[in-house]
Amino acid sequence: GQQVMQIPQYQHVQEGEDFTTYCNSSTTLSNIQWYKQRPGGHPVFLIQLVKSGEVKKQKRLTFQFGEAKKNSSLHITATQTTDVGTYFCAGRSIQGAQKLVFGQGTRLTINP
Amino acid sequence: GAGVSQSPSNKVTEKGKDVELRCDPISGHTALYWYRQSLGQGLEFLIYFQGNSAPDKSGLPSDRFSAERTGGSVSTLTIQRTQQEDSAVYLCASSLHGHTRGNQPQHFGDGTRLSIL
Repeated sequence: GQQVMQIPQYQHVQEGEDFTTYCNSSTTLSNIQWYKQRPGGHPVFLIQLVKSGEVKKQKRLTFQFGEAKKNSSLHITATQTTDVGTYFCAGRSIQGAQKLVFGQGTRLTINP
Repeated sequence: GAGVSQSPSNKVTEKGKDVELRCDPISGHTALYWYRQSLGQGLEFLIYFQGNSAPDKSGLPSDRFSAERTGGSVSTLTIQRTQQEDSAVYLCASSLHGHTRGNQPQHFGDGTRLSIL
């Protein structure tokens, strides 16, 4: 079945450094979504990418969807302590009416 | 309500007991999902409801796990004869439509933290 893999599993940075997490799917995706889960909280939807090669920005966050629609990335510029949490990607295969499959997440911790 | 509501927020029970977890989705959302999240881990899909039917139960770990949804709204996840490995946070999410109607975001509740002694 469809698999969605995220790397790295953990990332620790100094405040102000950049951060990137990568998401790779075993199948071509119709769309990819990104969620953020703060410590002790629940996943919260951030954004959805649909088009091949799409790039979207939310302030210091930049989301990309690969040309082949099998991978995606989230890049945070100049991290702040409020960025702490686990970032999940979730993709839906183009093959039929498939459910959203979540990656294992990247846990970001920040040294102030 | 404004968001997805889950109850109880915490549940501690003895091994072998049955537990019921409740999820009240966002009003009008036809799709409802249950996930399990162990400490520091990702989201493990359990079951998907479209309306009152469950077209995808593939994630239920064993026959001790069951779920139902009534009136196209509230859902309950029941775990019978609980085991220590069932300890986790159980998250419920809803979306406006299910798989066949495009790509809507999922809105999560705060979860039920289940601890089996």
